[in-house]
Amino acid sequence: QSALTQPRSVSGSPGQSVTISCTGTSRDVGNYNYVSWYQQHPGKAPKVMIYDVSKRPSGVPDRFSGSKSGNTASLTISGLQVEDEADYYCCSYAGSVYVFGTGTKVTVL
Amino acid sequence: EVQLVESGGGLVQPGGSLRLSCSASGFIFSTYYMHWVRQAPGKGLEYVSAIIGNGGYTFYAESVKGRFTISRDNSKNMVFLQMSSLRYEDTAFYYCVKDSTSGWYFDDWGQGTLVTVSS
Repeated sequence: QSALTQPRSVSGSPGQSVTISCTGTSRDVGNYNYVSWYQQHPGKAPKVMIYDVSKRPSGVPDRFSGSKSGNTASLTISGLQVEDEADYYCCSYAGSVYVFGTGTKVTVL
Repeated sequence: EVQLVESGGGLVQPGGSLRLSCSASGFIFSTYYMHWVRQAPGKGLEYVSAIIGNGGYTFYAESVKGRFTISRDNSKNMVFLQMSSLRYEDTAFYYCVKDSTSGWYFDDWGQGTLVTVSS
């Protein structure tokens, strides 16, 4: 149950797009289409942004999108906005338990 | 509106025990899996444990297996995490988390309760 690998940080200017990768193994990301992404602002609880690889919960802006290829999932934020600056975590079902990614800090320049 | 309120955190010595509680409201509690997720201060999220709606099955991360026990009381809409043989690395905010309605994810989180393991 090793943590999924994410880049430590990504950054972009308002309006630009950024993509966060999430690399796992054939026992988690590669074996299930149950990858979710969570946004966490400082001092706050996480909030789901994407689930089941590419589905968006009601109320999440459509500038957030998800995809998966093999053992790697990705979250793309298009048209970056100031309020998107936060920590982002991927999460995958791994057969009875879940495993989270290492986390990525998104900075809006 | 879903509400999850954790309690029971505090300071405990290495090797000690602590019981966390989570009071749930705003949904039909007995029909949902419930989870615990933790986050060491300034660090990332770590999955801890889950329990199915009727309490019949439980699941644990390898890091806590044999030391932590999850349980629930559906008559009181509460879920618990009994932690024993606590280690320094168990220091974290512990979040009570509700399973989703429509997919494999977590759609509601409590605000967390801090457990500090220190001598």
